Amino acid sequence: GQQVMQIPQYQHVQEGEDFTTYCNSSTTLSNIQWYKQRPGGHPVFLIQLVKSGEVKKQKRLTFQFGEAKKNSSLHITATQTTDVGTYFCAGRTNFNKFYFGSGTKLNVKP
Amino acid sequence: NAGVTQTPKFQVLKTGQSMTLQCAQDMNHNSMYWYRQDPGMGLRLIYYSASEGTTDKGEVPNGYNVSRLNKREFSLRLESAAPSQTSVYFCASSDFSGGAYEQYFGPGTRLTVT
Repeated sequence: GQQVMQIPQYQHVQEGEDFTTYCNSSTTLSNIQWYKQRPGGHPVFLIQLVKSGEVKKQKRLTFQFGEAKKNSSLHITATQTTDVGTYFCAGRTNFNKFYFGSGTKLNVKP
Repeated sequence: NAGVTQTPKFQVLKTGQSMTLQCAQDMNHNSMYWYRQDPGMGLRLIYYSASEGTTDKGEVPNGYNVSRLNKREFSLRLESAAPSQTSVYFCASSDFSGGAYEQYFGPGTRLTVT
């Protein structure tokens, strides 16, 4: 069945270092979304990528969608303690059905 | 606007008991979802409803039933709870706006089955 794999599972960085999380799908996706979940909270939408090879930026966050629309990445430049949380990708196939990756838990040491 | 609300926030059940998790959204969204979140597993789709009057199975529907009562409300029922259903349950809603099917999540229900 449909699977979206996400790595790494955990990442510990020093404040100011960069961070990247990767998602890979077993099938071609219509689009991919990224969410952030703070400890004890609920997922909050960050962005959606639709086009092959698309790159979007939000301040220090850069999101990429692969040419084959099977993989995606989120890169954070110069992490801050406010970036702490778990980052999830969610791939959409059709009929508004999303498959979430297992998430990357980011810890930032001040 | 309250967004997506869920009740209850916490629940402890004994094996074999039944309960219904309630979810409501006030954003006039067509699509609603139920997910469960287990440590290290991300969010897994249980059931979803693309529009009022329709429901469909997700990845892990066994042991659950849903009702799309109206456009606002989407409930999840556990007929006979099992310890494997201990999890955090999130309801979400979405619609196509601003070029994206952004999902809005409720605060979650933490369910423990003993």
